[in-house]
Amino acid sequence: DAGVTQSPTHLIKTRGQQVTLRCSPISGHKSVSWYQQVLGQGPQFIFQYYEKEERGRGNFPDRFSARQFPNYSSELNVNALLLGDSALYLCASRWTLGDTQYFGPGTRLTVL
Amino acid sequence: GENVEQHPSTLSVQEGDSAVIKCTYSDSASNYFPWYKQELGKRPQLIIDIRSNVGEKKDQRIAVTLNKTAKHFSLHITETQPEDSAVYFCAAGLNSGYSTLTFGKGTMLLVSP
Repeated sequence: DAGVTQSPTHLIKTRGQQVTLRCSPISGHKSVSWYQQVLGQGPQFIFQYYEKEERGRGNFPDRFSARQFPNYSSELNVNALLLGDSALYLCASRWTLGDTQYFGPGTRLTVL
Repeated sequence: GENVEQHPSTLSVQEGDSAVIKCTYSDSASNYFPWYKQELGKRPQLIIDIRSNVGEKKDQRIAVTLNKTAKHFSLHITETQPEDSAVYFCAAGLNSGYSTLTFGKGTMLLVSP
C-alpha cells in the first residue's frame, strides 16, 4: 500500500529562482494539501485542493501557487525565492475533505 | 482564524514514566483534533485523533482527552519507551468542508533509558 510520495527529496536553489515541487497522493485520495514546515515549528497550511479545484489558501504571498491534475497529483510552485522560503514542504492527502490527512516525506528546500 | 498553543516545548522523562502534552485552541467551531509524531528527518505520522463527539480515546499506551468547554486537549503516553522519543504535534480543524489543520509548535519528547 503506497503512501503519499513527493519529489524531489532535496532541492537547493538561489534567491530569485523558481521551484516546482510534486506530490502523488495515496491511491483513491482526491484531496491534497500543502504545508510549509520551518525548522522547529509545526506545519503551516499553504493550499488545499479537492477534485482539481482550490478549496483553501493559507496566509502565503502570491509567489506561491499550486494545481491539481486529473490523476489527483499536485504541484506546488514558488516564484522569486527568498531565503525565508527555506523549509520542509509537506504534502498531505485524504480521501475527501474532512477526512484524516496522511503526510508525504516532504521536500527539503534550501534557498541560498 | 484558529490558533493552537502547545506545551511544553520540550519534555524529558525516564523510560516507564508517563508523558502528558497539552494543547489549547481558539476556534470553538473546531471539532477534529489529531496528534502527529515526527521523528527526525521523517514525515509526520498520525498516532491518534479525536472528534468532538467524544471526550476521550485510547489506543494501547496512547490516550487523548478533549475538553470542549475549556477548549483544550491533551495527549497522554504511558509506560514510555526510548522509541517514543520524537516531536509531537497537536492540531485542530473542522471535520468537514474546506477546513484544514492548524498545528501547534510541537513538543520534543526525550525518553531516557
